Amino acid sequence: GAVVSQHPSRVICKSGTSVKIECRSLDFQATTMFWYRQFPKKSLMLMATSNEGSKATYEQGVEKDKFLINHASLTLSTLTVTSAHPEDSSFYICSARDSATSGNREQFFGPGTRLTVL
Amino acid sequence: SQKIEQNSEALNIQEGKTATLTCNYTNYSPAYLQWYRQDPGRGPVFLLLIRENEKEKRKERLKVTFDTTLKQSLFHITASQPADSATYLCALEYPGNTPLVFGKGTRLSVIA
Repeated sequence: GAVVSQHPSRVICKSGTSVKIECRSLDFQATTMFWYRQFPKKSLMLMATSNEGSKATYEQGVEKDKFLINHASLTLSTLTVTSAHPEDSSFYICSARDSATSGNREQFFGPGTRLTVL
Repeated sequence: SQKIEQNSEALNIQEGKTATLTCNYTNYSPAYLQWYRQDPGRGPVFLLLIRENEKEKRKERLKVTFDTTLKQSLFHITASQPADSATYLCALEYPGNTPLVFGKGTRLSVIA
């Protein structure tokens, strides 16, 4: 199956710094990628939908100026957590669908990035 | 707003038995209902998808049913094995290129 990679897998940073997380579709093109956040023992919560070449669509309650999303190519989307604070500590996961197969509804997920803000 | 309930947070089952997980939703039925497996510290992995006009779908030891009248999907793992221990997530998708909406998941433990 298709593979989605995320980098880094784990990051620890000081409060007030910015952290960039990369999401790549390795063997397929993705017009749309999704960013989720998951707290311990909680469901995946959609943060934003990232569209190649256009602005991301953010879910209600997600600050677009704090979580900057850039989808510059069909295989790469980045999420930047700006001025991170301890409450931003979470597991961030991206996912994508294969643009070439519109009938395939499966979403491919990255392995996730564990962010810890001290 | 749409609610998805996976009514067991955790389920323990003896090896070899059939595990049955439940997913209920409110409001209108999705175009697709999907099941994913998530291991600790990892992203979800797709298992099965069922369309709203389908009643049942099978894949090896897995079976999914979809009842739009009851607004419920059942996920079965037959001949369960310790390696099946994981969290299983139910996800709904509505028409259009919309993102999935996930339930909280059921943590399955298969005991040898």
